[in-house]
Amino acid sequence: EIALTQSPDTLSLSPGERVTLSCRASQNVPGNKLVWYQQKPGQAPRLLIYDTFKRATGIPDRFSGSGSGTDFALTIARLEPEDFAVYFCQQYGGAVTFGGGTKAEMK
Amino acid sequence: EVHLAESGGGLVQPGGSLRLSCVCSGFRFSDFAMSWVRQIPGKGPEWVSGIRGNGARTYYADSVRGRFTTFRDNYNNMVYLQMNSLGVDDSATYYCAKEMAATGVPIFDFWGRGTQVTVSS
Repeated sequence: EIALTQSPDTLSLSPGERVTLSCRASQNVPGNKLVWYQQKPGQAPRLLIYDTFKRATGIPDRFSGSGSGTDFALTIARLEPEDFAVYFCQQYGGAVTFGGGTKAEMK
Repeated sequence: EVHLAESGGGLVQPGGSLRLSCVCSGFRFSDFAMSWVRQIPGKGPEWVSGIRGNGARTYYADSVRGRFTTFRDNYNNMVYLQMNSLGVDDSATYYCAKEMAATGVPIFDFWGRGTQVTVSS
């Protein structure tokens, strides 16, 4: 099973900032099949990025994904108030696993 | 508009059973695989089970294999999760999630609002 570790657990940020969230896999993710979701309190996760860098339908271009092998990142170019949330990575190169999440909170 | 709605959660004693249901609309149901994903508050989600669009094959996490069964009714656009021999570690919010293809692509592009399962004596 490929374990995903997200860091840091929490980031304190201000609107307008640029932020990069990390997702590290315990072994190479085959095909770079890495996905990112956003989750707000009381809501289901929302698909943001799939296959490392492809934006899902309707996702603003301030969200971008990058990486390969074991190291992946989600970058938000300029934080909007609605972007304060928890972000999870998921891989499906092997049996599906999720990371523990990074919370982007307002400073 | 795609819409998924789970039901069937509740409080059950250890060793008991529950059946979760998910009604789907807004897409050609049989063209897409479906999955169940669960989540404990403050933790990352855990994939539980998946089923191909035609229902011909199902997939399970090791933690539930042999206890949970997923099946679907493509006529009524429903997917189900039968959960037996429940333990306290099965307590979570259970989400029904649509996959991006009929098979082999567990990217979850739409999710329901979830249903709470609590296993406790």
